[in-house]
Amino acid sequence: ETGVTQTPRHLVMGMTNKKSLKCEQHLGHNAMYWYKQSAKKPLELMFVYNFKEQTENNSVPSRFSPECPNSSHLFLHLHTLQPEDSALYLCASTGGRATDTQYFGPGTRLTVL
Amino acid sequence: DAKTTQPPSMDCAEGRAANLPCNHSTISGNEYVYWYRQIHSQGPQYIIHGLKNNETNEMASLIITEDRKSSTLILPHATLRDTAVYYCIVRRFQGGSEKLVFGKGTKLTVNP
Repeated sequence: ETGVTQTPRHLVMGMTNKKSLKCEQHLGHNAMYWYKQSAKKPLELMFVYNFKEQTENNSVPSRFSPECPNSSHLFLHLHTLQPEDSALYLCASTGGRATDTQYFGPGTRLTVL
Repeated sequence: DAKTTQPPSMDCAEGRAANLPCNHSTISGNEYVYWYRQIHSQGPQYIIHGLKNNETNEMASLIITEDRKSSTLILPHATLRDTAVYYCIVRRFQGGSEKLVFGKGTKLTVNP
């Protein structure tokens, strides 16, 4: 247990569905992240939030819509996804100080049919 | 951020030390070396980090060369559960948040 939880752990959805991934951190951190890991590829950073403000969008398609209502919660809203969006989606958080470490959640395995 | 170079795969016998190398020849003075590992289909797990000095914790030791251009992660007594992909990352802290740029890492296989 890293103090970062993600739900659901597995998700299967059709291309016309709308679903959301949830991340919650219990570490008192200020910054939260979404990463994508496709099969046999390195982790790719998608979004960064710092004190609820988005500080980075790594050219992610608009069918992925992040939301950060507070420093403890992060959502990734999904709509009209493509089969190539099937991947492991990972959430992470960090305290925001130079000495802080980034901790990851267990991930959500997404399959788009 | 500085790029890192790691061997794609390594093997180690159970109970022996696993020494995983990493080259980061373009590292800057304020960049830390971080190590994470990822067991199949799980989230990356933090192992250890350092700036200049060697570091040790309950999981591993990190040896950084004096010129900081390379480092070695040491798992002193590898077990089968240490089989994972190990990532060496050079990380710069920037104004309240950071980016970890993951490469392909080293696939460590611990054999019985």
